[in-house]
Amino acid sequence: EAGVAQSPRYKIIEKRQSVAFWCNPISGHATLYWYQQILGQGPKLLIQFQNNGVVDDSQLPKDRFSAERLKGVDSTLKIQPAKLEDSAVYLCASSLRPGRILRSDTQYFGPGTRLTVL
Amino acid sequence: DAKTTQPNSMESNEEEPVHLPCNHSTISGTDYIHWYRQLPSQGPEYVIHGLTSNVNNRMASLAIAEDRKSSTLILHRATLRDAAVYYCILRGDSNYQLIWGAGTKLIIKP
Repeated sequence: EAGVAQSPRYKIIEKRQSVAFWCNPISGHATLYWYQQILGQGPKLLIQFQNNGVVDDSQLPKDRFSAERLKGVDSTLKIQPAKLEDSAVYLCASSLRPGRILRSDTQYFGPGTRLTVL
Repeated sequence: DAKTTQPNSMESNEEEPVHLPCNHSTISGTDYIHWYRQLPSQGPEYVIHGLTSNVNNRMASLAIAEDRKSSTLILHRATLRDAAVYYCILRGDSNYQLIWGAGTKLIIKP
């Protein structure tokens, strides 16, 4: 079974530029998550999709971050314009079960995209 | 949201058992206890999860205290490949996302 795919693996940009990350979840997984992980910290949830609808985006900085999940499969996360504090690893994860019965569900993570903002 | 407390780091010798503790004194009755680990330069990977009873799988064992206020992840025979940051996370109805702390950095000495 193929895992969660992410691209690019690394990205270096200047502040105020824009950047986009792509995620392809495991086939058949209904729920998709984007996390931000700053060096030395645990991942922080940015947005959660169930199929192509947003379940939770309470921690997404909506003035500069946007995300979409077309047709309930692939997803893109965009930052425009980027700030220095956006330097982090952006992780995509997916899980099988739809709905809010997620207490015992398992998340599968991709390798992440390391973003450096200069 | 229910929170967990873990030591910042632990050291162990290769081929010895490792016991990674986690305190979660505010756990609710429906919260599951999840453990993930993150190897260097990789995304987190699932290790194990449980609700009340002790759990075993091919990677590890999870021992849950009777009052559920603490749990211990047990690696029965650590190898160098087990060196990672281990995260203990609670997940319940009111906190169905995974709220991550800083985890425990496990160092394995050859």
